[in-house]
Amino acid sequence: LAKTTQPISMDSYEGQEVNITCSHNNIATNDYITWYQQFPSQGPRFIIQGYKTKVTNEVASLFIPADRKSSTLSLPRVSLSDTAVYYCLVGPPGAGSYQLTFGKGTKLSVIP
Amino acid sequence: NAGVTQTPKFQVLKTGQSMTLQCAQDMNHNSMYWYRQDPGMGLRLIYYSASEGTTDKGEVPNGYNVSRLNKREFSLRLESAAPSQTSVYFCASSDIRVLTYNEQFFGPGTRLTVL
Repeated sequence: LAKTTQPISMDSYEGQEVNITCSHNNIATNDYITWYQQFPSQGPRFIIQGYKTKVTNEVASLFIPADRKSSTLSLPRVSLSDTAVYYCLVGPPGAGSYQLTFGKGTKLSVIP
Repeated sequence: NAGVTQTPKFQVLKTGQSMTLQCAQDMNHNSMYWYRQDPGMGLRLIYYSASEGTTDKGEVPNGYNVSRLNKREFSLRLESAAPSQTSVYFCASSDIRVLTYNEQFFGPGTRLTVL
């Protein structure tokens, strides 16, 4: 399974755009990139997934360059409620996803 | 739909005691998982069940046993609790699809303290 590296923590002011980059140099051809969000005292929840180029949903955007060795989660105009830990996971679909690992994630603190 | 439910929410045990953490999902998912999360750490997979009737070890299975009682329920048992098992335990479920990543849905967690 591909190893991921992401910053331990980030601070941002309310209303700013936040970009969290994840490095995954040994990503395999059939691997997907998935991001989860975890609020304090809650379980993680899925926010976005992509394979290549750009994916956008109502919560975030995910940018993946052509070489797929990194990816960037973009949160537009963050608010205090976006304070959470964000996890980047890389792995194959189907049965290969059983042992995907959640690293320490990136703790995002949004400041008023 | 309640999603994934876990009981109990909190538990305090003494070293050597046993207990079972319960998990149930109402989304008709095939696969279920148990994770533990220690302070400042990510989630580590203890056991998973790919489908009803099967269970497999994850990254940190020692000291735990699991039972996939039916498609809905997946329990985690600590036979002889140790202080190192103090943690927050999360149960999750997913519907395995071949061609896309299988989003996992998590329960609210059980906060366990072993004295």
